[in-house]
Amino acid sequence: NAGVTQTPKFQVLKTGQSMTLQCAQDMNHEYMSWYRQDPGMGLRLIHYSVGAGITDQGEVPNGYNVSRSTTEDFPLRLLSAAPSQTSVYFCASRQINQPQHFGDGTRLSIL
Amino acid sequence: QKEVEQDPGPLSVPEGAIVSLNCTYSNSAFQYFMWYRQYSRKGPELLMYTYSSGNKEDGRFTAQVDKSSKYISLFIRDSQPSDSATYLCAMSAVTGGFKTIFGAGTRLFVKA
Repeated sequence: NAGVTQTPKFQVLKTGQSMTLQCAQDMNHEYMSWYRQDPGMGLRLIHYSVGAGITDQGEVPNGYNVSRSTTEDFPLRLLSAAPSQTSVYFCASRQINQPQHFGDGTRLSIL
Repeated sequence: QKEVEQDPGPLSVPEGAIVSLNCTYSNSAFQYFMWYRQYSRKGPELLMYTYSSGNKEDGRFTAQVDKSSKYISLFIRDSQPSDSATYLCAMSAVTGGFKTIFGAGTRLFVKA
């Protein structure tokens, strides 16, 4: 049972480039979320989804897009990368009223 | 003021010590309380999950929730070097869609 799988594990981008961070879960969870983790800031919610076709903004959504076409997948798109988006990105999934299960993260550096 | 406050540490203890990790919060609607452990370059891993006030024990770990004081704790007995990690507290309310709010994490070092 793989749980939550994130790819790639590491990525370096130049300012202005776009990319998609992939997230897949095999637990049939309805809820999926994207967080970024920065030193001293904890985990901050970027976007989340309560089911296929339904997404909403979190605390820090600017510069990111998401879509949810299937229960299993929840990709995060950076439209035009900026140095302020250098961070570690975590995808998580859960069932209703249950705690989050996290992937191992994507470490993103933007030059 | 942050909704959840957690001392970032680092906290350094000798092997075998009892460790106490704490968080305070401001939102009285929080009902679900969690502790996650995060090793370097890994994702957070759920350690403890409790509902409302009281204690929950799992092996060497005990979670306490005091809703009247808006204070939660995680105790680690007989700490081991393998417990060295960052510990994140987290909490959720049913109202507001069960969004989870995380503390910034406390770095723990257990010295052999």
